[in-house]
Amino acid sequence: KNEVEQSPQNLTAQEGEFITINCSYSVGISALHWLQQHPGGGIVSLFMLSSGKKKHGRLIATINIQEKHSSLHITASHPRDSAVYICAVSKGGTSYGKLTFGQGTILTVHP
Amino acid sequence: DAGVTQSPTHLIKTRGQQVTLRCSPKSGHDTVSWYQQALGQGPQFIFQYYEEEERQRGNFPDRFSGHQFPNYSSELNVNALLLGDSALYLCASSLQTEAFFGQGTRLTVV
Repeated sequence: KNEVEQSPQNLTAQEGEFITINCSYSVGISALHWLQQHPGGGIVSLFMLSSGKKKHGRLIATINIQEKHSSLHITASHPRDSAVYICAVSKGGTSYGKLTFGQGTILTVHP
Repeated sequence: DAGVTQSPTHLIKTRGQQVTLRCSPKSGHDTVSWYQQALGQGPQFIFQYYEEEERQRGNFPDRFSGHQFPNYSSELNVNALLLGDSALYLCASSLQTEAFFGQGTRLTVV
């Protein structure tokens, strides 16, 4: 079993819909990261969380340390949100030490 | 600031050859991590360099080696290439709580 599991693996939505991507992990972590990867490879860091909730524009990320679970929400989704969303965790004392990645969630938003 | 720059962007090599990939970190970032991402998979940690030393290493064979220079730039070397080494190689630079990823180098081994 992978240390980081994401669901769903694939997600299709209509423009304007509210989207939730889930991430569960099985190890102790120093931080959890949500990343976005577009076709062609480049990865953008969206959030780094160690507790609670963060919001940036239409994106919201939450984490429940006790349940070892995090969610990424996208409000009022748009076709430009189409990308692969990846959850990753860092262990040990540093926030950006060795990252262990989930398999990613492929999001497609149709107009 | 150009962020994290990787070169080359694409590369085709033959089995058994050696390859060197390069990464220039974001200005001020002192830590560089390398990841391998096979098609359809999440990235896998190869190793991390800090102060010119390998600080952490993932589960990769010794054919994978690296180096960090005094200006914090880094190289990833892979010897005796195998078909299975074909992947996107990502470099990430970080400083405390901030990290940026490069666009990656797409390596194809034929």
